[in-house]
Amino acid sequence: DIVMTQGALPNPVPSGESASITCRSSKSLVYKDGKTYLNWFLQRPGQSPQLLTYWTSTRASGVSERFSGSGSGTYFTLKISRVRAEDAGVYYCQQVREYPYTFGAGTKLELK
Amino acid sequence: EVQLVESGGGLVQPGRSLKLSCAASGFTFSNYYMAWVRQAPKKGLEWVATISTSGSRTYYPDSVKGRFTISRDNAKSSLYLQMNSLKSEDTATYYCARVQQSTTAFDYWGQGVMVTVSS
Repeated sequence: DIVMTQGALPNPVPSGESASITCRSSKSLVYKDGKTYLNWFLQRPGQSPQLLTYWTSTRASGVSERFSGSGSGTYFTLKISRVRAEDAGVYYCQQVREYPYTFGAGTKLELK
Repeated sequence: EVQLVESGGGLVQPGRSLKLSCAASGFTFSNYYMAWVRQAPKKGLEWVATISTSGSRTYYPDSVKGRFTISRDNAKSSLYLQMNSLKSEDTATYYCARVQQSTTAFDYWGQGVMVTVSS
């Protein structure tokens, strides 16, 4: 199984600052079609997960431009610019390169 | 508006069975792969099952393979998860999610339904 390892944030993050979350996979997430199958989600307290990006860096419909995904192969980053109160929650990366799909353990973002 | 509404959760004894349902609306259900994802209390997300558009292909992690069965009824726009031989470690909130086949993005999620396995 592909293991997903997420980094921690130096919480709390001051409102208006940027925050970057890292995610590392134990195997390359590049598929034979050339796409990299890495999703990012945000789960706000008491809510269901919300898709932020797919294919590493493509923002989902309605997602703010303040969220940007990057990376390749086995190392990925989600950057949140100008952090706001509504960004608080737990962020998960997920690989969908192959079954079984696996998630990272989550990275909590707290605001100051 | 896309809506996914799970039902069927509750308290069940170890070794017993339970069937979850997910009612979909606001999109052409038969055009999408669907999935179940669970979250144990205070824990992270775990993918549980995926089913193809026709239902002919299903996928599971080893943790539930042979005990859980995902199925769908496209005529009723409904997704199901039959859970047998339940264990205490299956205690979790279960979410159904729509999956974009081309991107494998889990783009819409239900509100979740709680399953508690305890004697």
